[in-house]
Amino acid sequence: DAKTTQPTSMDCAEGRAANLPCNHSTISGNEYVYWYRQIHSQGPQYIIHGLKNNETNEMASLIITEDRKSSTLILPHATLRDTAVYYCIVRGANNAGNMLTFGGGTRLMVKP
Amino acid sequence: DSGVTQTPKHLITATGQRVTLRCSPRSGDLSVYWYQQSLDQGLQFLIQYYNGEERAKGNILERFSAQQFPDLHSELNLSSLELGDSALYFCASSEGGSGTEAFFGQGTRLTVV
Repeated sequence: DAKTTQPTSMDCAEGRAANLPCNHSTISGNEYVYWYRQIHSQGPQYIIHGLKNNETNEMASLIITEDRKSSTLILPHATLRDTAVYYCIVRGANNAGNMLTFGGGTRLMVKP
Repeated sequence: DSGVTQTPKHLITATGQRVTLRCSPRSGDLSVYWYQQSLDQGLQFLIQYYNGEERAKGNILERFSAQQFPDLHSELNLSSLELGDSALYFCASSEGGSGTEAFFGQGTRLTVV
């Protein structure tokens, strides 16, 4: 699977949009971009995923560049409960399985 | 609630012992994944099963083994436990394809003393 690069940490003011970037320049055509978050030792929580098109759900929006080499997760109105480590993962399928490979993620701190 | 159930939530055991962690996947999910998260490390993939068959192996020690049963629940067996095996162990499940979401359980916190 392609590797991803994310900033180690970010701050965001409560009520403002949080924009979390991710670079995945070696992504292959059949690989999906997934976002998960982990709040203090809880199980990772699925947020959103996409292949080529931008996606939106009740939690967030995912913007994928046209060349698919980078993406941005947008939390439109961050709250204190959004403080967590956010993981951007590129996931494909091959004979070796389709597991999610977690990197270091971005530690997002939402401040009052 | 992700729909993935892990038991027990907490486990304390002595070095050299053997434990079994259990995972019940979401209804209909055929794939089960096991992960380990130690205090000073990130989430490490251990092993994946799909419909009862081993699909992929990660950084799983030889002292560890897993299986998926016909009812699709899975067990992770950890033997000859060492202090360094203390960690959170997470199970995730998905329908199977790479375009389908994987959902995680709340984990089992294993403490080896």
